[in-house]
Amino acid sequence: QVQLQESGPGLVKPSETLSLICLVSGGSVISDTSFWSWIRQPPGKGPEWIGHVYYSGTTTSAPSLKSRVTISVDTSQNQFSLELNSLTAADTAIYYCARASFIKNDYGDYNWYFDLWGRGTLVTVSS
Amino acid sequence: DIQMTQSPSSLSASVGDRVTITCRASQTLSTWLAWYQQKPGKAPKVLISKASTLESGVPSRFSGSLSATEFTLTISGLQPDDFATYYCQLSGTFGQGTKLEIK
Repeated sequence: QVQLQESGPGLVKPSETLSLICLVSGGSVISDTSFWSWIRQPPGKGPEWIGHVYYSGTTTSAPSLKSRVTISVDTSQNQFSLELNSLTAADTAIYYCARASFIKNDYGDYNWYFDLWGRGTLVTVSS
Repeated sequence: DIQMTQSPSSLSASVGDRVTITCRASQTLSTWLAWYQQKPGKAPKVLISKASTLESGVPSRFSGSLSATEFTLTISGLQPDDFATYYCQLSGTFGQGTKLEIK
């Protein structure tokens, strides 16, 4: 049974960089049907997709965050990671890692949904 | 970017009721819409994928459908465990959420 577990600091200072890791257990990140994703959810608000990585290293990020986001995968460690720079208080949220099942549609675009989630980790941006 | 309009934002209902939640996409190039249930302090859990496919282990009282540009989640015969917040999602976009409360 595949499980995902986020790890990283719970408190980060403004202007600094957040680094999170998601360890995949019970399965492999090397999957041709999965994107490995990051999603965040500010307190009291809905989820926001941050981006994802394919096992080959190809990434896609949300346009609103693209300039600040780096997502990578380490197949030897069976994990993937998120870096988010230039943090502000607005980045305070629960950060989830998730597995996304995807297809490439007739228009050449990808569609996906999240079929497995980690428990999430609360990240607070404060001095 | 695709915009998702989810309604209602909140809903009060009683055990045994039938409720519907809708999501309208600004573009309808895909039927790969998913519905999630989220309870306080927990990660969202997928209920339905590809507009109408019930995920493994999800009770059959949950169903999804697509009509023209509108996706619908229906819960037939509400159970106490169903009172939660529900989200739709189409690739990189989530709906605003519907909080289902006990009347």
